[in-house]
Amino acid sequence: ILNVEQSPQSLHVQEGDSTNFTCSFPSSNFYALHWYRWETAKSPEALFVMTLNGDEKKKGRISATLNTKEGYSYLYIKGSQPEDSATYLCALSSNFGNEKLTFGTGTRLTIIP
Amino acid sequence: DSGVTQTPKHLITATGQRVTLRCSPRSGDLSVYWYQQSLDQGLQFLIQYYNGEERAKGNILERFSAQQFPDLHSELNLSPLELGDSALYFCASSVTPTDYSSTDTQYFGPGTRLTVL
Repeated sequence: ILNVEQSPQSLHVQEGDSTNFTCSFPSSNFYALHWYRWETAKSPEALFVMTLNGDEKKKGRISATLNTKEGYSYLYIKGSQPEDSATYLCALSSNFGNEKLTFGTGTRLTIIP
Repeated sequence: DSGVTQTPKHLITATGQRVTLRCSPRSGDLSVYWYQQSLDQGLQFLIQYYNGEERAKGNILERFSAQQFPDLHSELNLSPLELGDSALYFCASSVTPTDYSSTDTQYFGPGTRLTVL
């Protein structure tokens, strides 16, 4: 059973501040690490998929890094805005072509105006 | 809008009953995945279908069954329902590439909220 852990569970950040949170996973049997953004009453929206150790991905003010050897990924948000308020999920897939995702429980981010 | 559609949006029913949740994948996607989100739990993988055939199985109960039809839409059947089945059920779809050089993003539908009374 894969164990994907996210920390912190929740976070309140002042508008304009930058923030980051962590996803930890077992480094063996790793194939890909996915980040999703999930706003209340909407469906999870794919942000990044990363596969290689040292991968860095960026989308606007959001970026992510991956360390497969030590089993963690960081998600960074620069200059937080109220619309960044959401739950951020990471998920691990361990087999190509059989890409069931094992999700963490998420980090709930609230941006304070 | 991800392009994945799910019906119905909400469903309220009683224990012992049977429900069918429906999912239409994005155009061109061959894989359909079902996930369950219960209170205080992360998204749990239930089952994957690829081009009409079962591809992977997760924590799906024997009371649940699923299938993917020739037009690639999928249905998840739950029967007989128990109180603990109340949850948000998501469907996701992906291309599932045949070449080994690309990754496979799963696109999620809006979910069906099932309440069992």
